Amino acid sequence: DSGVTQTPKHLITATGQRVTLRCSPRSGDLSVYWYQQSLDQGLQFLIQYYNGEERAKGNILERFSAQQFPDLHSELNLSSLELGDSALYFCASSARGGTSTDTQYFGPGTRLTVL
Amino acid sequence: ELKVEQNPLFLSMQEGKNYTIYCNYSTTSDRLYWYRQDPGKSLESLFVLLSNGAVKQEGRLMASLDTKARLSTLHITAAVHDLSATYFCAVDYDKIIFGKGTRLHILP
Repeated sequence: DSGVTQTPKHLITATGQRVTLRCSPRSGDLSVYWYQQSLDQGLQFLIQYYNGEERAKGNILERFSAQQFPDLHSELNLSSLELGDSALYFCASSARGGTSTDTQYFGPGTRLTVL
Repeated sequence: ELKVEQNPLFLSMQEGKNYTIYCNYSTTSDRLYWYRQDPGKSLESLFVLLSNGAVKQEGRLMASLDTKARLSTLHITAAVHDLSATYFCAVDYDKIIFGKGTRLHILP
């Protein structure tokens, strides 16, 4: 158990809908990362937050948005869902992020299926 | 655009043998990561490599980084079945780019 929690574990929805994925980092970790893993695209980095501020942005679509709240949990919002958005979404947390060498701890993931 | 290439993509090997996974990248980078993923599971961070010549070891796994050659290697020594997994390298260049992963299958 990494100490990172993600909810829900599974999500099945229809095209055009909007969903919210939630991530709670390990206690004390300030940085949260979001990743997408699919058979087509492989592993992709979406976005990183550090202490509430966006730190780095990857291949995150405009239909997707994220934020990190004062209590350091993070939410990833996916809207106008398409079939191709079906994937595993992982979040990870680390103590500091940025230029440090601290380890990322990954949550169990949310499996999103868009029908 | 930064590209990260891993090879081989699939590797089946006998227990007790040594082997190396290669990770080439196309642009100067600040950091290089190695991750492990077991089937149906999440990712586990193995190593973070920062500087040229960096070498890190954990058990039977050793990772190294040559920034001049833009090459990192993950060396497996005397493989055991428990090391069967998919291994990813990732390069941090203002955003993190992953390789396609190397699926390693170690035969008992």
